[in-house]
Amino acid sequence: DIVMTQSPDSLAVSLGERATINCKSSQSVLYSSNNKHSLAWFQQKPGQPPKLLFYWASTRESGVPDRFSGSGSGTDFTLTISRLQAEDVAVYYCQQYYDVPLTFGQGTKLEIK
Amino acid sequence: EVQLVESGGGLVQPGGSLRLSCAASGFTFSSYYMHWVRQAPGKGPVWVSRISADGSRTTYADSVKGRFTISRDNAKNTLFLQMNSLRAEDTAVYHCVCYGLGIIYWGQGTLVTVSS
Repeated sequence: DIVMTQSPDSLAVSLGERATINCKSSQSVLYSSNNKHSLAWFQQKPGQPPKLLFYWASTRESGVPDRFSGSGSGTDFTLTISRLQAEDVAVYYCQQYYDVPLTFGQGTKLEIK
Repeated sequence: EVQLVESGGGLVQPGGSLRLSCAASGFTFSSYYMHWVRQAPGKGPVWVSRISADGSRTTYADSVKGRFTISRDNAKNTLFLQMNSLRAEDTAVYHCVCYGLGIIYWGQGTLVTVSS
């Protein structure tokens, strides 16, 4: 199984500041047919299902604000929120869909400092 | 608009059975692999099972192998999960999910509670 490891487990950032969440996969998730990484980022708020933010590691889902960005290659990936807003408080998960079992990171809880 | 609407959850006693359904619309259901992913209260999502587009191939997490059966009816655009021998640790919100090239769709989920 591909193990996804996020860091940090929790993060407190001031409003308007940058938040960075890291995700590492235990092996490559590069899909050779299109040379893209099978890596997604989700945002989850209490009582809601996970909301897709990015797929192929850096392709922003429609409607996601451009203060959110996804990047990375190889086995290291990053979700960045450039200017934190109050509504960004949530738990964030990375997930690989390269192979089954689909696996998720343990989650990063983002709070306001 | 893409919609995945799960149903069939509820309260069931340990050892009992439940059948979940997921009605799909807004995309070509029969072209895509479909999955079930569950999320226990306060925990992260965990993959449960996958079925191929034509329904001929299925894969399961070790934790549910031999107890759960995934199936689909492409004529009715519906995904199923038959859950038998349910345990307390199966308590979770169950989501049906579609992963394809450049698409990821999640349903809102249905809550399954296994308790006496």
